[in-house]
Amino acid sequence: DGGITQSPKYLFRKEGQNVTLSCEQNLNHDAMYWYRQDPGQGLRLIYYSQIVNDFQKGDIAEGYSVSREKKESFPLTVTSAQKNPTAFYLCASSIGTGRYEQYFGPGTRLTVT
Amino acid sequence: DAKTTQPPSMDCAEGRAANLPCNHSTISGNEYVYWYRQIHSQGPQYIIHGLKNNETNEMASLIITEDRKSSTLILPHATLRDTAVYYCIVRPLSSGSARQLTFGSGTQLTVLP
Repeated sequence: DGGITQSPKYLFRKEGQNVTLSCEQNLNHDAMYWYRQDPGQGLRLIYYSQIVNDFQKGDIAEGYSVSREKKESFPLTVTSAQKNPTAFYLCASSIGTGRYEQYFGPGTRLTVT
Repeated sequence: DAKTTQPPSMDCAEGRAANLPCNHSTISGNEYVYWYRQIHSQGPQYIIHGLKNNETNEMASLIITEDRKSSTLILPHATLRDTAVYYCIVRPLSSGSARQLTFGSGTQLTVLP
């Protein structure tokens, strides 16, 4: 089955700890994205990557970091510098940036206490 | 990007057609209309997109008015599993950036038994 997987579905961390969220796709898509969604809100773009070893900041990149060492993988690290990390995190991919539809993973709900 | 306006909520009887409207009166000639939906606590799902002609796929039909200032997403036989928030998005024909995929508040469609 082709698709995007995110793990884990639920994640709990103590304040001050860094945490890495996994995102893997087997769709052979070049572009990958990370979004954050807060309750009752739309999606906000954190980071995106158009090709391997390249990524760009989105609208709310502060306190987050990413890497793109493989085409299939785009992990997101939520650092202790992120002031309000509790949220629903969504990973997506597309054939390329621009006009192409994005396919989303099931999301990871992160709770930091 | 062009701003979109959608009703906040709609109900539909199971088995009936669900018609979801979207106004995008400031759409420009190079912008596509995209529809996504998000079932509670899941990642958004791409449904359909179009430029100016009506489009149909296995999930839905998209009707775009001749002046392109509004569109309607049609789910021909709604089921309970179609209950979700539906987002109408407009984005440029070609763009080097992922920033343009912006989700507004959408329409909460509730399919009633």
